[in-house]
Amino acid sequence: QMQLVESGGGVVQPGGSLRLSCAASGFTVSSYGMHWVRQAPGKGLEWVAFIRDDGSDKYYADSVKARFTISRDNSKKTVYLQMNSLRPEDTALYYCAKVFTGAFDYWGQGTLVTVSS
Amino acid sequence: EIVMTQSPATLSVSPGERATLSCRASQSVSSNLAWYQQKPGQAPRLLIYGASTRATGIPARFSGSGSGTEFTLTISSLQSEDFAVYYCQQYNNWPPYSFGQGTKLEIK
Repeated sequence: QMQLVESGGGVVQPGGSLRLSCAASGFTVSSYGMHWVRQAPGKGLEWVAFIRDDGSDKYYADSVKARFTISRDNSKKTVYLQMNSLRPEDTALYYCAKVFTGAFDYWGQGTLVTVSS
Repeated sequence: EIVMTQSPATLSVSPGERATLSCRASQSVSSNLAWYQQKPGQAPRLLIYGASTRATGIPARFSGSGSGTEFTLTISSLQSEDFAVYYCQQYNNWPPYSFGQGTKLEIK
């Protein structure tokens, strides 16, 4: 069955960096675009970034542009989110999600990022 | 950027009754609209895509309708497991992929 497992979250000081990973299994990951979506504590969903199936195009929310970088290694069935210059407002549960006809049909369980001094 | 507005913020309904949730887009998104359910401590789950197509494994009591700027999610006969937060999301004009702020469906 399809599965997405995020990792790499943790506590980091403002201005610091983290790299999140999303390991996929149960489907041909190289055939699908992938997203990162975040959810601040007690808040709604916020789309963060998208990468096409072959990694040729990447898109970002304005709130993370120039600070975050999405990438993928299809040979490892993994999608990454490199997060630099982290701010307290980046504190959230970060989900990866698979694309299906534009919607997000499978989600991981998320990895928590806390930005605090 | 397209803004998605959901109403009401909280909806109180008794089990067995019908629930109707609304979502409005600030400009047309055609039928490129999805609905998600999120329970506490869980990831969102896709319910509806293309405004009206149920995702795999979603019970028939969930139905979606609408196009353009006005959309509705209807749950025909509420079960205990349906009480959750529901989000709409457009994927017509992106980036960004915008979500509504959510409707909390609670037991009356």
